[in-house]
Amino acid sequence: GENVEQHPSTLSVQEGDSAVIKCTYSDSASNYFPWYKQELGKRPQLIIDIRSNVGEKKDQRIAVTLNKTAKHFSLHITETQPEDSAVYFCAAVYGTGNQFYFGTGTSLTVIP
Amino acid sequence: DTAVSQTPKYLVTQMGNDKSIKCEQNLGHDTMYWYKQDSKKFLKIMFSYNNKELIINETVPNRFSPKSPDKAHLNLHINSLELGDSAVYFCASSQDPGGNGDNEQFFGPGTRLTVL
Repeated sequence: GENVEQHPSTLSVQEGDSAVIKCTYSDSASNYFPWYKQELGKRPQLIIDIRSNVGEKKDQRIAVTLNKTAKHFSLHITETQPEDSAVYFCAAVYGTGNQFYFGTGTSLTVIP
Repeated sequence: DTAVSQTPKYLVTQMGNDKSIKCEQNLGHDTMYWYKQDSKKFLKIMFSYNNKELIINETVPNRFSPKSPDKAHLNLHINSLELGDSAVYFCASSQDPGGNGDNEQFFGPGTRLTVL
């Protein structure tokens, strides 16, 4: 099965700085890589995703990059704001596509 | 309108009991999922199910069983509850997980299960 590793587990940044979260996956058949944000006490929600035929995708202050050869993908948040504070999960989807394998999560704290 | 709903939101019960958590989605999605999130916030898939196949994570004890009366519902039954079952359980659904269409998973609000 797929194995997704995520680093770091916790990350603190000053407001306005950038934050980077990295994930690696093991199965080269994985072809879809979403990122979810979970605020305290709430449900995970999709913030950005990327497919294996794309190397980079950007949506305002967030961007995701994918290196298929190295089997890793990263989330970049620029100009961080306090409301970016949350737990972020990466995921890899493979096989029939019914299996979403999540990373272990990164707790991001943006210090005002 | 609530896309994915779960009931109950909180569930407190004694060890050894049998309980169910209900999940409904009104998005017309074909695939539904159950996840367990423990105290360390790890999000682990338990089941995924559509009208064609049930995929079970092999680490899930057989005390847990999904039941789908129709495409819009995937309920989770848990027999002989144990202390270690305490966690937040999330239901989710997606439209086209295997294709090139919309793969986004929509999560329910979660059910916090506490086993005493």
